[in-house]
Amino acid sequence: NAGVTQTPKFRVLKTGQSMTLLCAQDMNHEYMYWYRQDPGMGLRLIHYSVGEGTTAKGEVPDGYNVSRLKKQNFLLGLESAAPSQTSVYFCASSVQLNTEAFFGQGTRLTVV
Amino acid sequence: AQSVAQPEDQVNVAEGNPLTVKCTYSVSGNPYLFWYVQYPNRGLQFLLKYITGDNLVKGSYGFEAEFNKSQTSFHLKKPSALVSDSALYFCAVRGYSSASKIIFGSGTRLSIRP
Repeated sequence: NAGVTQTPKFRVLKTGQSMTLLCAQDMNHEYMYWYRQDPGMGLRLIHYSVGEGTTAKGEVPDGYNVSRLKKQNFLLGLESAAPSQTSVYFCASSVQLNTEAFFGQGTRLTVV
Repeated sequence: AQSVAQPEDQVNVAEGNPLTVKCTYSVSGNPYLFWYVQYPNRGLQFLLKYITGDNLVKGSYGFEAEFNKSQTSFHLKKPSALVSDSALYFCAVRGYSSASKIIFGSGTRLSIRP
């Protein structure tokens, strides 16, 4: 079982460059999430989706955009990367908002 | 506003001793509460959750957690620690409202010495 798969696993960007992180889940979950993890700050919710074609803002949405064109995929975009976006990004999915989430292995992004 | 606090950045325990990782929360109404564990260079893995019912919740790998409504706490416990329990532990909370989001604590690093 693949579960939640994130690509790429590592990336280095220059300030101002753009990129898209891809998250794919094969569990037919309705809910998908993007988090960033920074030392001492835990996980902070960037954006989430409650179903295909829907997206909503989390705690720290500025500088990011998302799309959920297919139920199994949730894309996170950085239009103009900034050093403050250096972080580890995690995608997760769940059956409902009150059920446990399944996480991908993370993408380590460095913006120089 | 929702919040969750893990007051200890690190907890050190000798193997075989009981362990406790603390979590307190603030949410309007009743909470959904979760514990996750993260091993190095991995994503988070679900350990256990409290939705309703018994205050003592049992989860994976011998862990349990006690929900205390009056103290707004959800501490993670294990009767006998293993070296393999060494990892980063996260508490998370969500309110019952459909508009409520899942909020994670800052994490507690658990170190079990042989």
